[in-house]
Parts: sequence; structure tokens; C-alpha cells
Amino acid sequence: DAGVIQSPRHEVTEMGQEVTLRCKPISGHNSLFWYRQTMMRGLELLIYFNNNVPIDDSGMPEDRFSAKMPNASFSTLKIQPSEPRDSAVYFCASSSGTGANYNEQFFGPGTRLTVL
Amino acid sequence: DAKTTQPNSMESNEEEPVHLPCNHSTISGTDYIHWYRQLPSQGPEYVIHGLTSNVNNRMASLAIAEDRKSSTLILHRATLRDAAVYYCILRDFGNEKLTFGTGTRLTIIP
Repeated sequence: DAGVIQSPRHEVTEMGQEVTLRCKPISGHNSLFWYRQTMMRGLELLIYFNNNVPIDDSGMPEDRFSAKMPNASFSTLKIQPSEPRDSAVYFCASSSGTGANYNEQFFGPGTRLTVL
Repeated sequence: DAKTTQPNSMESNEEEPVHLPCNHSTISGTDYIHWYRQLPSQGPEYVIHGLTSNVNNRMASLAIAEDRKSSTLILHRATLRDAAVYYCILRDFGNEKLTFGTGTRLTIIP
């Protein structure tokens, strides 16, 4: 299994531009999570999906951020317009099971975003 | 969410056991205790989790206090590759969310 796949691995853009981060979860996993990590705020959950449906988006910073999961094998996190304070490493993770049958979250390698 | 408290940093000698403590005095009966670690420049990876009983796997052991208000992650024989930030996280039974704190930065001394 290739694990969780994220693209691009690095993104450098200018303030005001649209940024799209992509994630392919592990096949068979029914939950997908988007996290952001910065030195100041640590690792924060932005949003998570279960069976392609957004369950909790309370961590999404503001309207400039949006996430979609059109099918079980693909998700995007979009920032429009981007700002320098969005610079961070964005991780995608996937998992299967719920409750007592919950399994571990598998994290991707992350996308390092720099907004100039 | 119930919170956890961990030391900011710890050091240990290579090839010796490491005990990483975690306090969670407000834990509820439906909270699972999860441990993840993050190696430098990588995403977090699962280490172990438990509810009430001690747990063992190929990576580590988890010792849970009888009152569940604290737990200890045990690495039986630390290697340089175990240098990482270790996160102790409480997850409610009915919820898939993981809330990461600041964790413990473990340094292994050769």
C-alpha cells in the first residue's frame, strides 16, 4: 500500500493567489482528516470527513478555506485568497472504523506551503 | 475535550528504556488514550492506544493507572530513531477527532 498521498509536497505562492492541496487516502479508509501545523499553534485539525461527508469543520480558520471530498479516493483543501499567515505544513490523514473499532490515523508526508 | 499534560522534553540514553508520562486527571469513562509520535520532517505516526488495561505492541507498551488519571508510554530499548515528539491524546469513544497538544520532545543520547 502506498499510504496516504499528498500533492504537491512543496508549494510557494504569492499572497492573493489560490492554492489547492490534494490528498489521496488509503484505499478502504472511510474517514479523512486535514491538519495544519505551525510552530506557533502546533498541529490543528481543520476538518474531517466520514464517508465523503464533512462531519466537523470547526477548525477551518475562515471562509478563505474550503475542503471537498468528491469521492472516497480524493480530497482537496483550497485557500483563496492565500495570505502569508497561511504558511504551514498541511497534513492529510485517513482511518477506518469507529467507536471501539476505531483504527489508527495514517498521515501523509505533508505539503509545505509558503505564501510570500 | 479532556486535556493531557506532558513534560516538554526528556532525554534518554540509547539502548535504555524510556518512560514517557502523561497526566489526564479529567479523563472520562469513554475516553481512549492514544499515543502518536512525530519524527523530524514527517507526519505523525500511531504508536499505541488503550482504554483501561495495559497494552503492548511491537513498538511500545502503554501502562494505564488504575484510576486512569495518568498513563505511561514505555519504549523498552530506545534507539536513535526513536527521537521524536510524542503526543498523548484522549479520544472520546464516539468521536474520531484527535486533538494534539504540545507533546514531549524526546532526545536520545548516543
